[in-house]
Amino acid sequence: GAVVSQHPSRVICKSGTSVKIECRSLDFQATTMFWYRQFPKQSLMLMATSNEGSKATYEQGVEKDKFLINHASLTLSTLTVTSAHPEDSSFYICSAITGGRVEETQYFGPGTRLLVL
Amino acid sequence: AQKITQTQPGMFVQEKEAVTLDCTYDTSDPSYGLFWYKQPSSGEMIFLIYQGSYDQQNATEGRYSLNFQKARKSANLVISASQLGDSAMYFCAMRGHTGRRALTFGSGTRLQVQP
Repeated sequence: GAVVSQHPSRVICKSGTSVKIECRSLDFQATTMFWYRQFPKQSLMLMATSNEGSKATYEQGVEKDKFLINHASLTLSTLTVTSAHPEDSSFYICSAITGGRVEETQYFGPGTRLLVL
Repeated sequence: AQKITQTQPGMFVQEKEAVTLDCTYDTSDPSYGLFWYKQPSSGEMIFLIYQGSYDQQNATEGRYSLNFQKARKSANLVISASQLGDSAMYFCAMRGHTGRRALTFGSGTRLQVQP
């Protein structure tokens, strides 16, 4: 299957700092990338959808000024958690597709564990 | 809008036995796709199997098969000959023909395979 990388895999930061997470599609062009958040023992919750060259679409309840998403190219999307606080500690996982047909498999990155102290 | 329901928070199965993980869904889309993913403790999401709403036959991929009952809106995952490495969280997900392109996930089932 297609390969999606995510960096860093784990990050610990102090409260008030910003953290950037990168998501790359390594062997295909991702017209659309998704960012999910997962709390322990819970399901994946979609945060936002980003399309290359346009503004991200955020899900209801997700602060766009806190979670900045940039999809600068067909292979790279970044999520920046600005002024992180302990409640932002979570597992963040990105995903990518090429066209979004009903049958298209959505491939995921390995995820980033964020711990805000 | 789509909704996925997984009613089994946790399941146990003996090694080498088969296990069925339940998934029901709701959608107004006449065309949709159903997916199953495995998430081991490392956190990565591993795609297992796909079933299209218009597929005539149930999908199979190795030890994984999908028991698709369209009238009941269910898409249960069957794992045959369970292995210790099958212990993980399993998520059912779907995408409709219309609406958002991102998969909608169920709450997941934690499967534990016992020796």
